[in-house]
Formats: sequence, structure tokens, C-alpha cells
Amino acid sequence: GENVEQHPSTLSVQEGDSAVIKCTYSDSASNYFPWYKQELGKGPQLIIDIRSNVGEKKDQRIAVTLNKTAKHFSLHITETQPEDSAVYFCAASLQSADGLTFGKGTHLIIQP
Amino acid sequence: DSGVTQTPKHLITATGQRVTLRCSPRSGDLSVYWYQQSLDQGLQFLIHYYNGEERAKGNILERFSAQQFPDLHSELNLSSLELGDSALYFCASSTARRQGPLNYGYTFGSGTRLTVV
Repeated sequence: GENVEQHPSTLSVQEGDSAVIKCTYSDSASNYFPWYKQELGKGPQLIIDIRSNVGEKKDQRIAVTLNKTAKHFSLHITETQPEDSAVYFCAASLQSADGLTFGKGTHLIIQP
Repeated sequence: DSGVTQTPKHLITATGQRVTLRCSPRSGDLSVYWYQQSLDQGLQFLIHYYNGEERAKGNILERFSAQQFPDLHSELNLSSLELGDSALYFCASSTARRQGPLNYGYTFGSGTRLTVV
């Protein structure tokens, strides 16, 4: 089955700086890659996603890039703000039946 | 409010007991996925139901079972509970079809925190 590795496990950045979280996946047939943000006491919330026929997608301060050859994808957050502090999960999927395989998560800390 | 409702929010029970967690998916979503979240294992896929039919199983223990009813709500049954079953249990719903690629992400509920003592 699919295996997703996520790095780093903890990331601390100064407010206003950029943050980058990286993930690799094992199954080259995977074709859908979402990112989730989880705040304390809440369920994960979808923040951006990308499909395998696209190399990059941007939504305001958030962007995701995908390198199918290397089987890795990254989340980029620019101009970080205190409310960006949370745990971020990457995921990959091949078929709807099997759902999403998640990385272990990155705890993003925004220092004031 | 995500539209996915999970009850109860918190549950404390003793080892050896059985509990039932309930999930109501977003209106119109036919797929329900159950996940277990723990500090060491992260988000582990347990089971997926589509319109009442079991579609896939992940790392679900034999002591655990689930079902999806005609009104599309789902229940996760956990029996012979052990201390190690203490975790957050999430359900998520999706517009995903029965077959084919997953083109859209899930919507998660707020979870049930299970504590086994």
C-alpha cells in the first residue's frame, strides 16, 4: 500500500517568514494530494489540494508543488501569521475506496 | 461547523467494555471513512463505507467493527477495550464515488476522544 513520509516533525519560524513542509510518497500511481490543518481540539481541515496532472497550485499565502518524477510534494506558506500555528498533514490517494494515506504531521510554530 | 457530526465528543470507559461511536456525514455525501488518531501512530485509516457497503479496510482490529445505515449515518463499535485503544476517533465524509480516483478531500468531524481506564 501507499506510504507517506513527512518532514520536519516540528517547524518553528518567525512571524512574517515563510514555512515549507515536505512529503514523499511511495506509490507512483497515486494521483491526489491534499493538505490538512489541524488545530487543537478540532478535526483536520482541508486547506489545499493538487492532482497529479498539475505541478503547482496557489491560494493566497498557501501553495503546493508536486514533483511526480521524484514522488514528492511540498506545502509553502508565505508571510506566516500567528493563526498559522497548527499541525499540518499531507496525504496521498490512488482510489476512493482506499481513501487517504496521511503523513505523521508537522507541528508548525509561529514565533511572534 | 464542518457538517459532519460525531457523538459523543468524549467517552471514558473501563478496560474490557464496549462502546459505540456515531457519525452523521455531510448532506449528500455517500462515503464515510473512520480514522484513529494517536500521538505515536498519527492518522490511521480504519474502514470505509460507501452507501451502506463496506469498501475497504485498513488497520482495523478484529475487536472493532462498523456499519453504515440506510440514512447514511455510521457507527464504529469498539469492544473488549484495552488501554492502548485510547485515542481520538474521527469520521470523515466525502463526495467520492464508489469506484475510481479520489478527486476531492474529506470533510472531517470534530472527533470522539476515547479514554480507556
